[in-house]
Amino acid sequence: NAGVTQTPKFRILKIGQSMTLQCTQDMNHNYMYWYRQDPGMGLKLIYYSVGAGITDKGEVPNGYNVSRSTTEDFPLRLELAAPSQTSVYFCASRFRRNTEAFFGQGTRLTVV
Amino acid sequence: AQTVTQSQPEMSVQEAETVTLSCTYDTSESDYYLFWYKQPPSRQMILVIRQEAYKQQNATENRFSVNFQKAAKSFSLKISDSQLGDAAMYFCAYQQDNTDKLIFGTGTRLQVFP
Repeated sequence: NAGVTQTPKFRILKIGQSMTLQCTQDMNHNYMYWYRQDPGMGLKLIYYSVGAGITDKGEVPNGYNVSRSTTEDFPLRLELAAPSQTSVYFCASRFRRNTEAFFGQGTRLTVV
Repeated sequence: AQTVTQSQPEMSVQEAETVTLSCTYDTSESDYYLFWYKQPPSRQMILVIRQEAYKQQNATENRFSVNFQKAAKSFSLKISDSQLGDAAMYFCAYQQDNTDKLIFGTGTRLQVFP
């Protein structure tokens, strides 16, 4: 019973590099979300998706891109990494609006 | 834009005592949902309790209950008979009924002392 799986768990990037954070869920959830968690700042919504082929911006989308080609996967792409993107990233999914959101274990990203 | 405010960065409580964590939110909507999530040191986010705005009755889950004051836009979490395992970050979250966004507050770190 995997739930929401994020990879990698940790990553160090150099300024200007790119990478993709992977998120997969096996619960057949339509709604998927990406958040970043900075110390003392809570969780900020980056992007979200309500189904395959549909994505929308959240509160802090700049510097990120997403795609949703399947129900299961919702990768987050960082282009030209910057120190300001150092954070813990969480992926979440839920069956429909207003239901419980299930979270992955997070990815700790450091940009140096 | 909707905002969620948790004014207590840190709280502490003695084991077996009761503690209340505050949350206020800003919205012009009448239909929405509110959540409390717990994040222990493992980083795993766990749903604690959920409240629908149209329900007058405060939600309760075992030792966890809320005080939902719709007019005041307040949604506090009360933890009774606190246990060491309750130590964690607690996040309040808001979901407007006709949108798909789930917005979180900045969190309150709860320490539980034996």
